[in-house]
Amino acid sequence: AQSVAQPEDQVNVAEGNPLTVKCTYSVSGNPYLFWYVQYPNRGLQFLLKYITGDNLVKGSYGFEAEFNKSQTSFHLKKPSALVSDSALYFCAVRVSVSGSARQLTFGSGTQLTVLP
Amino acid sequence: DGGITQSPKYLFRKEGQNVTLSCEQNLNHDAMYWYRQDPGQGLRLIYYSQIVNDFQKGDIAEGYSVSREKKESFPLTVTSAQKNPTAFYLCASSILGNRGQDQPQHFGDGTRLSIL
Repeated sequence: AQSVAQPEDQVNVAEGNPLTVKCTYSVSGNPYLFWYVQYPNRGLQFLLKYITGDNLVKGSYGFEAEFNKSQTSFHLKKPSALVSDSALYFCAVRVSVSGSARQLTFGSGTQLTVLP
Repeated sequence: DGGITQSPKYLFRKEGQNVTLSCEQNLNHDAMYWYRQDPGQGLRLIYYSQIVNDFQKGDIAEGYSVSREKKESFPLTVTSAQKNPTAFYLCASSILGNRGQDQPQHFGDGTRLSIL
């Protein structure tokens, strides 16, 4: 079984400061890791993914995430937060299985609020 | 533009009534998914389909039914057996096959279902 934990329901950060949204995972096998963002009453938008290779992954809107295999973590980061980054963030994981439907397991979400 | 269209955006259900949520995609994706989103619980998989005329139960399929008569369409019916249907429902799609292993799921903008 695979699982994802987002230990913080809410993260507050001042505009211009760096932000981190935490994610840890548990899988049997090699993980494929994703971050999505959700604005109110909207669907999820893909931000970035880790498949293999470089542990630091860069994505949309200046976000990046660091894959740490020993700590089974995939924290989302941004050097300088914007008020417009305020949204609900989801981490998701799936195990690589060729040819089959891609069942994602999602974390419970972290509400990020960037204060002006 | 290619994407996923969910309709209606808001839906109300009376006691004992079945309601159907529409999901259409023009991305030519093989796989389609239905998720339920409740506050603080992240996304939970209801049903998914890898190919026309075939679908599998997810983690919370009880009280729901689906069909996949066309590649681009994957409607979800919330039956009267679902005693707590109030939630935000999200439809997604993805590529299958080895080429799609590292590709993210694409989401629609959701349908919010409430009980009258």
